[in-house]
Amino acid sequence: GAVVSQHPSRVICKSGTSVKIECRSLDFQATTMFWYRQFPKQSLMLMATSNEGSKATYEQGVEKDKFLINHASLTLSTLTVTSAHPEDSSFYICSARPSGGVDTQYFGPGTRLTVL
Amino acid sequence: GENVEQHPSTLSVQEGDSAVIKCTYSDSASNYFPWYKQELGKGPQLIIDIRSNVGEKKDQRIAVTLNKTAKHFSLHITETQPEDSAVYFCAVRVNSGYALNFGKGTSLLVTP
Repeated sequence: GAVVSQHPSRVICKSGTSVKIECRSLDFQATTMFWYRQFPKQSLMLMATSNEGSKATYEQGVEKDKFLINHASLTLSTLTVTSAHPEDSSFYICSARPSGGVDTQYFGPGTRLTVL
Repeated sequence: GENVEQHPSTLSVQEGDSAVIKCTYSDSASNYFPWYKQELGKGPQLIIDIRSNVGEKKDQRIAVTLNKTAKHFSLHITETQPEDSAVYFCAVRVNSGYALNFGKGTSLLVTP
């Protein structure tokens, strides 16, 4: 149980295009999902907290107009990187917290974004 | 915000030996402390967690201890195996919500 999927696993795009990444909780409902960014050999940096049916909460320094987050259902959150540039190349990982006041977060397998 | 320090950054042990990774945190109100294992190119996998009302928790070869007074918690892996080689991250729940602050990670290498 507690499986989180991400799609796509890898994406290469041209500079200036937009890329959408999906995060799904497969066997549980998640009121809250989180989006992280990880650079090579570094830790996970929280980008934003996504709550179902409401606006996402972004961490300081994260541009909400560049990283659009939508959490339309209890099992799906999407992250859209708009007008991507090479500096947006990174490993993006989502996590999902099961509904019901549980602390535990389960992570997806990550999406490797490369912007040319 | 919550400051999480993790040590060591790299750790090499021989198969069968024990490995210990330690994390310290700054907010005394923090109450949830998970450990994640991340293999190359994959997402973090929860391996064990502990809450502030418990001092120790064990799951087979893995254990976590928590010292609330000193504000540190440790991951203990016994009888290490080569497949334990990975990067391990500690995390602390941010008091104001369910988000986690992560340590910088420990790269564990278990040599046969």
